[in-house]
Amino acid sequence: QVHLQESGPGVVKPSETLSLTCTVSGGAISSSDYYWGWVRQTPGKGLEWIGNIFYGGNTYYNPSLNSRLTISVDTSRNRFFLKLNSVTAADTAVYYCARQERWVHVFDYWGQGTLVTVSS
Amino acid sequence: EIVLTQSPGTLSLSPGERATLSCRASQNVTDSYIAWYQQKPGQAPRPVIYGASNRATGIPARFSGSGSGTDFTLTISRLEPGDFALYYCQQSGSSPQTFGQGTKVEIK
Repeated sequence: QVHLQESGPGVVKPSETLSLTCTVSGGAISSSDYYWGWVRQTPGKGLEWIGNIFYGGNTYYNPSLNSRLTISVDTSRNRFFLKLNSVTAADTAVYYCARQERWVHVFDYWGQGTLVTVSS
Repeated sequence: EIVLTQSPGTLSLSPGERATLSCRASQNVTDSYIAWYQQKPGQAPRPVIYGASNRATGIPARFSGSGSGTDFTLTISRLEPGDFALYYCQQSGSSPQTFGQGTKVEIK
């Protein structure tokens, strides 16, 4: 059974960088059958796709976040990462990491989610 | 970007009734890359349907999906107590991937 777990600070100051780690167990992040992605959820905007990464390092970003976003992967430790810089209150959300099947595109496994609040 | 509009916003039904949820896209969704997710309070979304009409692993046959192009439907033939939740559609045929705003299926 694949399991994803987000970790990182729950509070980030405005203008600073939000950094999250997703640790994957029960499946290899180096599989060619999956992308690894980040999705966030707010009461106001609902679910928002942030971006994906493939194990080889190819990244796919939401253009609305592209200028502030970096997603990377560490296949040796079965983890991938999110960095979002210059955050504002609008980036306050529950952040999920998830696995997306490469061929049918469904997000089939999700982490439990972690609330990140942008506040001074 | 493709905007997905879900209707109705809230569906008030009784157990045993049929639920029909709509998801309309602002543009054609390539290759019917539409998925539906169920979300309960405090939980992550769970896949229900992918490829517009394929049930995800572990999803019972009372859930079905249909549609193509810009109009997609999730049907729950007979609601059971565990089906009352929020449902989101998602398109992944064009970047950026987008989600609808959700339909809440609540107990009447």
